[in-house]
Amino acid sequence: AQKVTQAQTEISVVEKEDVTLDCVYETRDTTYYLFWYKQPPSGELVFLIRRNSFDEQNEISGRYSWNFQKSTSSFNFTITASQVVDSAVYFCALTPERGFQKLVFGTGTRLLVSP
Amino acid sequence: DVKVTQSSRYLVKRTGEKVFLECVQDMDHENMFWYRQDPGLGLRLIYFSYDVKMKEKGDIPEGYSVSREKKERFSLILESASTNQTSMYLCASIEAGELFSGNTIYFGEGSWLTVV
Repeated sequence: AQKVTQAQTEISVVEKEDVTLDCVYETRDTTYYLFWYKQPPSGELVFLIRRNSFDEQNEISGRYSWNFQKSTSSFNFTITASQVVDSAVYFCALTPERGFQKLVFGTGTRLLVSP
Repeated sequence: DVKVTQSSRYLVKRTGEKVFLECVQDMDHENMFWYRQDPGLGLRLIYFSYDVKMKEKGDIPEGYSVSREKKERFSLILESASTNQTSMYLCASIEAGELFSGNTIYFGEGSWLTVV
């Protein structure tokens, strides 16, 4: 069975601090996809990144970076120089290549960035 | 601009009422999903549909049913609403065949349902 664990329920930081959101996953599939979504207070899920299991390159997009390590089954998300607008709930998710209807989400990490 | 639209953002219903949550997508996607989101539990799949009139149960289908009469519309039905169904409901759609290959999953804005 697939599982995504986001052990951090809530993180509070002060603006300009760096913060890392952890995501650990379990799957028996050899081909799978990992995602990060942001959910601001408005409720809509905003897609941030998708990574397939064969691509272990880290990725940077502006202040956001992602560290995918297959050896530890982790897909961590770092925000550099956090801003108040980064305050949201962040979800990590996993889907197999086959049976993608079984997209599984973690329980989410609430990030609070104060001025 | 691609869109998944959920008809109601906020609803308040009484216990025992029949509730319809509507979701429409304009991308001609085969696959549509209904999730429920609760604090500390993340998003949990209620039902999904991979074609018109086709549906399959997700992880928490009890107390819910769905209808997909047209490709663009996927309805979630609470036959007799109960207070433990107070939650945020999210609809999603994706274009994919047998295999997922990195297609974008589109989500609606969510429907906040309160059952009193």
